[in-house]
Amino acid sequence: GNSVTQMEGPVTLSEEAFLTINCTYTATGYPSLFWYVQYPGEGLQLLLKATKADDKGSNKGFEATYRKETTSFHLEKGSVQVSDSAVYFCALREGNNRLAFGKGNQVVVIP
Amino acid sequence: DTAVSQTPKYLVTQMGNDKSIKCEQNLGHDTMYWYKQDSKKFLKIMFSYNNKELIINETVPNRFSPKSPDKAHLNLHINSLELGDSAVYFCASSQASGREYEQYFGPGTRLTVT
Repeated sequence: GNSVTQMEGPVTLSEEAFLTINCTYTATGYPSLFWYVQYPGEGLQLLLKATKADDKGSNKGFEATYRKETTSFHLEKGSVQVSDSAVYFCALREGNNRLAFGKGNQVVVIP
Repeated sequence: DTAVSQTPKYLVTQMGNDKSIKCEQNLGHDTMYWYKQDSKKFLKIMFSYNNKELIINETVPNRFSPKSPDKAHLNLHINSLELGDSAVYFCASSQASGREYEQYFGPGTRLTVT
């Protein structure tokens, strides 16, 4: 079946540092890929998406490129802020519009 | 205006009780979902309804029963609550199920079973 794997463990970094969160997927075909963000005490919000190979999704300074060769969709941001502290989920879309999520990564940005 | 709302936000109850969580969306969407997020933040779909018809029913104990009185509401009823049911439950909605539409999530209901 389809699955999404995110790197283990929380990510702690200083303000203005470069952020990378790895995401790889296993799927039949080429599903749409997503990054969702969950701020403390809130529900999930769509951060960005890519619907086909080599597409780059971007939003709020975050970027991710759909790489079918490496089955990856890594999230990057060049200079993080304290307000970026949240949990980030990678996901792929399956049939019936269901989303399969990775386990999420807690990102903590310290001033 | 809240797009997807859930009530209650927090729910603390004892094992063996029956409880319901309500979800409403005012986006005019046809499809609604329930997801469960466990203590390790792992998020997994439970159910999906399209125009009041069940279309996704994952391997969930039959103590969980979704009910959709109309396409703007999808409630989750849980019978005989167990400690392992403690989690955050998220409702979501999207324009349709068969095509690629963005899902909008509610703020979540934190259920604690003691």
